[in-house]
Amino acid sequence: GAVVSQHPSWVICKSGTSVKIECRSLDFQATTMFWYRQFPKQSLMLMATSNEGSKATYEQGVEKDKFLINHASLTLSTLTVTSAHPEDSSFYICSARWDSNNYGYTFGSGTRLTVV
Amino acid sequence: AQSVTQLGSHVSVSEGALVLLRCNYSSSVPPYLFWYVQYPNQGLQLLLKYTSAATLVKGINGFEAEFKKSETSFHLTKPSAHMSDAAEYFCAVSDTGGFKTIFGAGTRLFVKA
Repeated sequence: GAVVSQHPSWVICKSGTSVKIECRSLDFQATTMFWYRQFPKQSLMLMATSNEGSKATYEQGVEKDKFLINHASLTLSTLTVTSAHPEDSSFYICSARWDSNNYGYTFGSGTRLTVV
Repeated sequence: AQSVTQLGSHVSVSEGALVLLRCNYSSSVPPYLFWYVQYPNQGLQLLLKYTSAATLVKGINGFEAEFKKSETSFHLTKPSAHMSDAAEYFCAVSDTGGFKTIFGAGTRLFVKA
């Protein structure tokens, strides 16, 4: 149980194009999902907190217009990297909290984005 | 503000040897602490978590960690390393609301045959 599916697992796109990454909770409802970015050999940096039915909360320094987050349903959150540039190349990971009483988080398998 | 410091970006042990990965935290409120493992190009898998219950927490794959408030530490241990334990390990802290998790820089564990 408590599975989060992230798609695609990897994507290559050209500079200037947009890429959408999906994060789905398969067997539970996730009112809150989190989006992280991970540079090679570095830790995860929280980008934003995605709340179902409302605007996402972005961390300081994260461009809201660059990284569009939509959480339209209790099982789906999407991250769109708009007008991607090579410096946006990274590993993006989503997570969702499935156990509000016991702080259970589950993570997606991540998306490797390469912008050429 | 909360933070996590993982001592040692790389740890190398021999197969069968004790694994010790160090984590110190800083928190102005009672923390909730986690250890995650990440294999290459994969997401994170929860090994164990401390949520103010027993200070010695047992997790999956034979790992355990002890919460020591006096030392603000939450070190991860495993009595006998296996080759399959080679991965990146992250210590993380969350506030009592549980809405934001802060990760340490990670420690890569190498296991030698």
